[in-house]
Amino acid sequence: DAKTTQPPSMDCAEGRAANLPCNHSTISGNEYVYWYRQIHSQGPQYIIHGLKNNETNEMASLIITEDRKSSTLILPHATLRDTAVYYCIVRVAAGNMLTFGGGTRLMVKP
Amino acid sequence: DVKVTQSSRYLVKRTGEKVFLECVQDMDHENMFWYRQDPGLGLRLIYFSYDVKMKEKGDIPEGYSVSREKKERFSLILESASTNQTSMYLCASRGTRGSLGANVLTFGAGSRLTVL
Repeated sequence: DAKTTQPPSMDCAEGRAANLPCNHSTISGNEYVYWYRQIHSQGPQYIIHGLKNNETNEMASLIITEDRKSSTLILPHATLRDTAVYYCIVRVAAGNMLTFGGGTRLMVKP
Repeated sequence: DVKVTQSSRYLVKRTGEKVFLECVQDMDHENMFWYRQDPGLGLRLIYFSYDVKMKEKGDIPEGYSVSREKKERFSLILESASTNQTSMYLCASRGTRGSLGANVLTFGAGSRLTVL
């Protein structure tokens, strides 16, 4: 699996966009970028994934650079309930196991 | 949305007790997983199952066993609980999502086990 690098923590004002970066410079052509988040004392929650193109769903947007070496998860209007640890994971589509690294602890402040 | 339900959110057991952690998913997924999560160590895979009665060891299977008698249910068993098994246990089910069929894990809420 390609290794990912994320900042350990970030703050964001409530109502503003939260932009969470992830570096994955060793990603290979068949590896997807997945994002999960984990709210305190709960299981990880799937947010979004992508391969090459930018993706958007009801929770977030995922921007992947053209060389695929980095990506950004965007929460367009962060709320206090978005306070969580966000994990960026790179894995082949058929992979069984996802390796969760340290992630980014996002604190949304009023 | 797929739902993964873990039977107990909090358990307190004594050393040497047998512990059962139950997990049920409602989306007919073939693949199910048990992880444990500890501070500073991230999520570590204990066992997974790709079909009824089938199981595979993950990274840290020692001290654990599993049972998959029905497709929707995957149980984690601690035959003789020890204090170093105090942890958060997470069950997950795997399904495909998106036009390219990438596999996505859906997790339960977790079971926090304390072994005294």
